[in-house]
Amino acid sequence: GDQVEQSPSALSLHEGTDSALRCNFTTTMRSVQWFRQNSRGSLISLFYLASGTKENGRLKSAFDSKERRYSTLHIRDAQLEDSGTYFCAAYTGGADRLTFGKGTQLIIQP
Amino acid sequence: ETAVFQTPNYHVTQVGNEVSFNCKQTLGHDTMYWYKQDSKKLLKIMFSYNNKQLIVNETVPRRFSPQSSDKAHLNLRIKSVEPEDSAVYLCASSWGHNYAEQFFGPGTRLTVL
Repeated sequence: GDQVEQSPSALSLHEGTDSALRCNFTTTMRSVQWFRQNSRGSLISLFYLASGTKENGRLKSAFDSKERRYSTLHIRDAQLEDSGTYFCAAYTGGADRLTFGKGTQLIIQP
Repeated sequence: ETAVFQTPNYHVTQVGNEVSFNCKQTLGHDTMYWYKQDSKKLLKIMFSYNNKQLIVNETVPRRFSPQSSDKAHLNLRIKSVEPEDSAVYLCASSWGHNYAEQFFGPGTRLTVL
């Protein structure tokens, strides 16, 4: 099975609402990285976590420090520009190769 | 501006032709990567180089060959393109190659007719 599982696969929200995306791993991970891919295809790094939580504006990410088998990305007060595909990735097959989940397509509606 | 730059943005070609994509990073990183993103948006690593040395070479057809002139440049050549090579090719870089945070370029979209 997939080593990096993302949920949900798609999500549609209205502006101003909050949401949470999740990334599950089939084994313990040392770190996780979250990205957003916009309509032009650019993959923008949002967070890199080895443990704990990080926050940047309306975005907050957490990495389970105990079992290290899941991570979450919270979006507060969603805006239209938050639309895109969100990917999480982790080093599953070794320290030198990043494995990506299949992504969550997020659509923010007015 | 410090970032990862890729050229061209788009390329359309015929089956059997040779194509070459360029990637340059000005972040001062020592490791660079090539990823392929297919039509379902699945991202998979193809190659990585650390200080001009090949680190990762996933199961990739032999017609694909990376070319590293220095640690700031990593190009990708496809010798004889096939229809299944149509995809977005993303270049990335990082400092170090073990559990490193990676930064991506804007991608090159290849269409093979």
